[in-house]
Amino acid sequence: GGIITQTPKFLIGQEGQKLTLKCQQNFNHDTMYWYRQDSGKGLRLIYYSITENDLQKGDLSEGYDASREKKSSFSLTVTSAQKNEMAVFLCASSGDRGISNERLFFGHGTKLSVL
Amino acid sequence: TQTVSQSDAHVTVFEGDSVELRCNYSYGGSIYLSWYIQHHGRGLQFLLKYYSGNPVVQGVNGFEAEFSKSDSSFHLRKASVHWSDSAVYFCAVEGTNAYKVIFGKGTHLHVLP
Repeated sequence: GGIITQTPKFLIGQEGQKLTLKCQQNFNHDTMYWYRQDSGKGLRLIYYSITENDLQKGDLSEGYDASREKKSSFSLTVTSAQKNEMAVFLCASSGDRGISNERLFFGHGTKLSVL
Repeated sequence: TQTVSQSDAHVTVFEGDSVELRCNYSYGGSIYLSWYIQHHGRGLQFLLKYYSGNPVVQGVNGFEAEFSKSDSSFHLRKASVHWSDSAVYFCAVEGTNAYKVIFGKGTHLHVLP
């Protein structure tokens, strides 16, 4: 089996600060995702990447940048943290989506708080 | 536009009861549909996926879901719930020719003893 590791687990930032979240997977999966989870709003897709150096915008990409320099890693940058912002950012990866039981594997999340 | 609607934010049942968690979707094309579970403080874990063929899909821990193209639905069911089934359940949709996976807002299932 594999694992998805998100770092850091907790991130505290200041208003206006640029913050970077990292995600590593050892499944050798091609596709990786970043979601934002807010209470009562479910998971909203920020960015996804089909392969190394590919980036695709999700529905919530404004205010974020992403980078996929290696197949195993996918980083997300909050370009300017908003005051009192609090959310959990989830990274996921998947292999060949055409296989019947292929699914997303999720990390445990990075919890962001902005002071 | 892809959308996923989970109409119930909270569902409360007693242990041993049956439960149905509702999911409706909007998507213009052929799709895969999935359900995921998130226990408190944990990451999301896969429950089951509709890929093709039989519209009733069996998942782990006695869960099943039924795909209905006419109703644009993929409701999750369990015949007899256990207290450990208390969690948030997310429905997800993706196009068969796409990589974008969209989730609903989740339904929090509370199982009382």
